Amino acid sequence: SAVISQKPSRDICQRGTSLTIQCQVDSQVTMMFWYRQQPGQSLTLIATANQGSEATYESGFVIDKFPISRPNLTFSTLTVSNMSPEDSSIYLCSVEDLQVYDRGPDTQYFGPGTRLTVL
Amino acid sequence: GENVEQHPSTLSVQEGDSAVIKCTYSDSASNYFPWYKQELGKRPQLIIDIRSNVGEKKDQRIAVTLNKTAKHFSLHITETQPEDSAVYFCAASIRPGKLIFGQGTTLQVKP
Repeated sequence: SAVISQKPSRDICQRGTSLTIQCQVDSQVTMMFWYRQQPGQSLTLIATANQGSEATYESGFVIDKFPISRPNLTFSTLTVSNMSPEDSSIYLCSVEDLQVYDRGPDTQYFGPGTRLTVL
Repeated sequence: GENVEQHPSTLSVQEGDSAVIKCTYSDSASNYFPWYKQELGKRPQLIIDIRSNVGEKKDQRIAVTLNKTAKHFSLHITETQPEDSAVYFCAASIRPGKLIFGQGTTLQVKP
């Protein structure tokens, strides 16, 4: 499967500031996604990062708060804007790796995550 | 709305015993059901998955069963080992790219 990396791995930020998280994949992938995992909780899809067009956001998530870029098929960024302590979470990118054909479509693999603490 | 219920939230078993985790989904259009294992501080890792045209799938000590009529699927781990201790998440895909995750089950395997 694809090798996925994220930067930074963790950060501590002050409220009101913004943080941009990077996700890099070692091969071209069609679908990239961003998830949030609040402390001790499950994973919630924030948005699908579309190459060459605007991201598709899930209910409860808006572009002004979580702007996303996808300049090519191997890279995406998620920005958490105007942060508050409620934004303290792990943010994970995932990819659908169509090279793994024995698994088929819809199979998602996750990056290592970015642990964000907002003070 | 779209929902996946997962039970139990915690599960403690003795090494060598079996563990079963159950999930129920709400959207009958769901057609793909992966299971992820997440160790503390690590990323979720795909351990097994099943598609709607299959009733059961097995991979060594892990198996997943699917009952589309009842809209539920289960993870079975046999001969549990301490390294199986982790949080397990089920998920259901209601459309390409959209995974709805269950709340997670913390499995503890006691040596």
